[in-house]
Amino acid sequence: DTEVTQTPKHLVMGMTNKKSLKCEQHMGHRAMYWYKQKAKKPPELMFVYSYEKLSINESVPSRFSPECPNSSLLNLHLHALQPEDSALYLCASSQEAGSPGTQYFGPGTRLLVL
Amino acid sequence: DQQVKQNSPSLSVQEGRISILNCDYTNSMFDYFLWYKKYPAEGPTFLISISSIKDKNEDGRFTVFLNKSAKHLSLHIVPSQPGDSAVYFCAASETNTGFQKLVFGTGTRLLVSP
Repeated sequence: DTEVTQTPKHLVMGMTNKKSLKCEQHMGHRAMYWYKQKAKKPPELMFVYSYEKLSINESVPSRFSPECPNSSLLNLHLHALQPEDSALYLCASSQEAGSPGTQYFGPGTRLLVL
Repeated sequence: DQQVKQNSPSLSVQEGRISILNCDYTNSMFDYFLWYKKYPAEGPTFLISISSIKDKNEDGRFTVFLNKSAKHLSLHIVPSQPGDSAVYFCAASETNTGFQKLVFGTGTRLLVSP
């Protein structure tokens, strides 16, 4: 089973709202990732968690706040977003963060900020 | 600065023929490469990977070739099927940094016609 699940599939929020994206994997992977993909662009890395600790933050604005409550769950808390933050947000996981391996992606959450 | 490039934004192939998707990279420290397939509004699906210690890896209809001296890799799909129609991303990582940060190419849209 190489499934990564994400909820919700779609989200519309205003610039003053607070919302959260959720990601879950049950493959025993110890590394989890958030990516952002704008239309007709490749996915871009936002955050890397390794063993439930934030290891990489790719200079992401503080209005995006990641959280890893346990080894299977990854959240992305959203607050005071801008319309340009509208994108597909992808979660991925891999066996380990530090060794070569496949990252398995979820279906994504399509976010629209009005 | 685009470290991973896919210079062909689209490719059309007839069913049963070979599809060849190309990818070039500039960072000589990249040592692990992956190909993903992506349908609209879905997350990328892993296809095949190759380590820099190899020059070829095969999995069913998919073969990836790596030419390190040219900093070039290609994905061959034989025979191509209509269900292969999707956007294909190559991705590269530099694993000796301690974290596997995937850098994606811009994607090639493959259309396989019956």
